[in-house]
Amino acid sequence: ETVLTQSPAALSVSPGERVTLSCRASQNINRRLAWYQQKPGQAPRLLIYDASNRATGIPARFSGSGSGTEFTLTISSLQSEDFAVYYCQQYNNWPPWTFGQGTNVEIK
Amino acid sequence: QVHLVGSGGGVVQPGRSLRLSCAASGFTFSSYTIHWVRQAPGKGLEWVAVIWSDATEEYYADSVKGRFTIARDNSKNTVYLQMNSLGAADTAVYYCLREENNRGYFQYWGQGTLVTVSS
Repeated sequence: ETVLTQSPAALSVSPGERVTLSCRASQNINRRLAWYQQKPGQAPRLLIYDASNRATGIPARFSGSGSGTEFTLTISSLQSEDFAVYYCQQYNNWPPWTFGQGTNVEIK
Repeated sequence: QVHLVGSGGGVVQPGRSLRLSCAASGFTFSSYTIHWVRQAPGKGLEWVAVIWSDATEEYYADSVKGRFTIARDNSKNTVYLQMNSLGAADTAVYYCLREENNRGYFQYWGQGTLVTVSS
């Protein structure tokens, strides 16, 4: 099973700041990584697929990078609606499809 | 517009069974692989099961293998998750998801249905 480790587990950020979230895979997953955003009481929303492609309707302030085992989600200027939990998910080595444990982005 | 509507959740006693349904609309259901993912209260996302578009293949997480069965009826645009021998660890919101173009990621999620296993 490919384990995804996200860091940090949580961070406090002020609106307008740049945010960088990390996702490390326990084995090579090429670029088959997605990022999701989840707000309380809602289903997750796809942000990024194939490591760096923005999903439909996702603002340009969200960007993804990486390949192999190291991946990053960057939010260039955090907006109030971006405070949420972010998950990475790999789809290179399956089954199972696996998720990271999440990073909680909180208001500072 | 793509819709996935989960139903069938509720409170069930340990050791009992429950069947979840996921009704799809707004797309050609028979062309898409469907997954179930769950989220325990206050926890992260856990993949549960998948069924291919033509139902020829299905896979399960080790935590549910032998207890859960995924099935689909393409004539009814519905996927099912039969859950047997339920335990407290199965308490979660269960989401059905559409896999995008057999690529492995998930653009569309159902609203989730809550399963609570409690005596």
